[in-house]
Amino acid sequence: DIQMTQSPSSLSASIGDRVTITCRTSQSISVYLNWYQQKPGKAPKLLIYTASTLQSGVPSRFSGSGSGTDFTLTISSLQPEDFASYYCQQSHSTPQTFGQGTKVELQ
Amino acid sequence: QVQVVQSGAEVKKPGASVKISCKASEYSFNNYYMHWVRQAPGQGLEWMGIINPTGSSTTYAQRFQGRVTVTRDTSTATVYMELTSLNSEDTAVYYCAGSASYSGTYYGYWGQGTLVTVSS
Repeated sequence: DIQMTQSPSSLSASIGDRVTITCRTSQSISVYLNWYQQKPGKAPKLLIYTASTLQSGVPSRFSGSGSGTDFTLTISSLQPEDFASYYCQQSHSTPQTFGQGTKVELQ
Repeated sequence: QVQVVQSGAEVKKPGASVKISCKASEYSFNNYYMHWVRQAPGQGLEWMGIINPTGSSTTYAQRFQGRVTVTRDTSTATVYMELTSLNSEDTAVYYCAGSASYSGTYYGYWGQGTLVTVSS
């Protein structure tokens, strides 16, 4: 199985801050890495797919980068609606594992 | 955009089984691979398994092998997930999610989730 290491597990930030979340995989997955946002009591929502492609309708302040084993999700200027949990997920091979999640909280 | 609706919350006793449904609003659903993902209270997301568009092929995570069965009824655009021999660690919200291919893709739509509580 491909192991996912996502960091940090939580962070405190203010409105307008630049936020970076990283995800590392135990083996190369090319660009088959997705990012999801989840708010309490809701299903995850796709933000970024294949490492850097922004899902339709997602604000441009979200961006993704990386390939191989190291990936990054960046929120360029944190907005009130961005306080949520974020998960990376690899779709290179089954089981299609998720990172442990990052909870973004208001500082 | 395909909409999917999952069946309602369940309360089960240890050792019992649960079967959850995931029904789509349109038959284009039958073109998608469907996954099941679960989330224990306060925990992260865990992938359980996948079924192909025709329902002829499934793949399960090793830790659920022998306990989980995913099936599909294309005539009603519904996917089912049955989990047997439940224990307290199976208490979680279970989601179905759709992707356009088996791998190398993303989950473009999700059900709303079904809470399964296992308690004596």
